[in-house]
Amino acid sequence: GQNIDQPTEMTATEGAIVQINCTYQTSGFNGLFWYQQHAGEAPTFLSYNVLDGLEEKGRFSSFLSRSKGYSYLLLKELQMKDSASYLCAVRSGSSNTGKLIFGQGTTLQVKP
Amino acid sequence: SQTIHQWPATLVQPVGSPLSLECTVEGTSNPNLYWYRQAAGRGLQLLFYSVGIGQISSEVPQNLSASRPQDRQFILSSKKLLLSDSGFYLCAWSRTGKEAFFGQGTRLTVV
Repeated sequence: GQNIDQPTEMTATEGAIVQINCTYQTSGFNGLFWYQQHAGEAPTFLSYNVLDGLEEKGRFSSFLSRSKGYSYLLLKELQMKDSASYLCAVRSGSSNTGKLIFGQGTTLQVKP
Repeated sequence: SQTIHQWPATLVQPVGSPLSLECTVEGTSNPNLYWYRQAAGRGLQLLFYSVGIGQISSEVPQNLSASRPQDRQFILSSKKLLLSDSGFYLCAWSRTGKEAFFGQGTRLTVV
């Protein structure tokens, strides 16, 4: 079967750093994606990992360990606007036909 | 640049009525297309995905169907809506192996 797990909720303070974890078990692996979704809106793409290691993009970084089936999204210098849901997604199967499966999302609340 | 259009933005339909949601992509050819549903406060559930015209994979047995009559057009349908069909429906496209981009979504309420 296919399973993607994330914590349901997290709370952090403005200016701090927060790490959102994601573990997965899928049939085939062709990339892990992180999305941000504000309430009532569509998800927007944040980051993509297909090889092990850390990908940095401004205040956001994403890490992948394929052997452990594990990823995390790291948000630095938190801002109030970062309050949103963060969705972990895995592309299973082959890269050109594989489907994109999402976890349940982690709702992050940033407090002053 | 590529854009994805999804409509309508909101829809209220009575139980037992039909449904047709349309999604079109511009600026790319032969995209992978997806329909997702999101219940309130939950993650995205993959309903259908398509790698080409007439090629539809159904992920969850249910009251819905999908069609891809043209390369960049993806339609979600139902003959008779159920209360449980209420939710936020999202269409998305991706290039081979790349990230998916989402339409603005349709909030469907079945009453």
